[in-house]
Amino acid sequence: KQEVTQIPAALSVPEGENLVLNCSFTDSAIYNLQWFRQDPGKGLTSLLLIQSSQREQTSGRLNASLDKSSGRSTLYIAASQPGDSATYLCAVRGGTGFQKLVFGTGTRLLVSP
Amino acid sequence: SQTIHQWPATLVQPVGSPLSLECTVEGTSNPNLYWYRQAAGRGLQLLFYSVGIGQISSEVPQNLSASRPQDRQFILSSKKLLLSDSGFYLCAWSPGDFGQGLDTFGSGTRLTVV
Repeated sequence: KQEVTQIPAALSVPEGENLVLNCSFTDSAIYNLQWFRQDPGKGLTSLLLIQSSQREQTSGRLNASLDKSSGRSTLYIAASQPGDSATYLCAVRGGTGFQKLVFGTGTRLLVSP
Repeated sequence: SQTIHQWPATLVQPVGSPLSLECTVEGTSNPNLYWYRQAAGRGLQLLFYSVGIGQISSEVPQNLSASRPQDRQFILSSKKLLLSDSGFYLCAWSPGDFGQGLDTFGSGTRLTVV
């Protein structure tokens, strides 16, 4: 059974810092990995999708890497801003049968001005 | 472009009352559809998924049911709500071909059972 873990559970940084969020998964037989952002009381917004054959994806100040063999992904946020404050969720798709998304419990990020 | 609509945004229902949450997708055909629940302080739990009209798979035994009467319509129901059904319910869709792209989520329904 796939399990996804995110570290740290919470992170507080001053504006302008570069930061890394970590995601690990137990079964390396994944189809793809996605990073999402969730603002309080809102739905999920998809940030990046990395296919299993890819090593990284970039969107603006965000860069996500994938090391499938070691079961790890990182989300790098450059020059953090207060508007980046949210919960960040990692999810992997894979396994046998129907390929469901399995979510981590998230990292709650607070960026202070 | 594809959009997903979910309603209502907020719902307060008494214990024992029925429930119906609706989700519709526009701009795509034959999507995979999902219902998730997010309890306070907990992660996202997949409740149901559907790969086609009338095809529903349940992930966990519970007091809820789902139906897909049309290709782009997904409904979450209950005949009698329990207090434990309270939570944040999210509908989502993904392309039928998983290699095509992202999972897209609706804005959610906050259900409080009193």
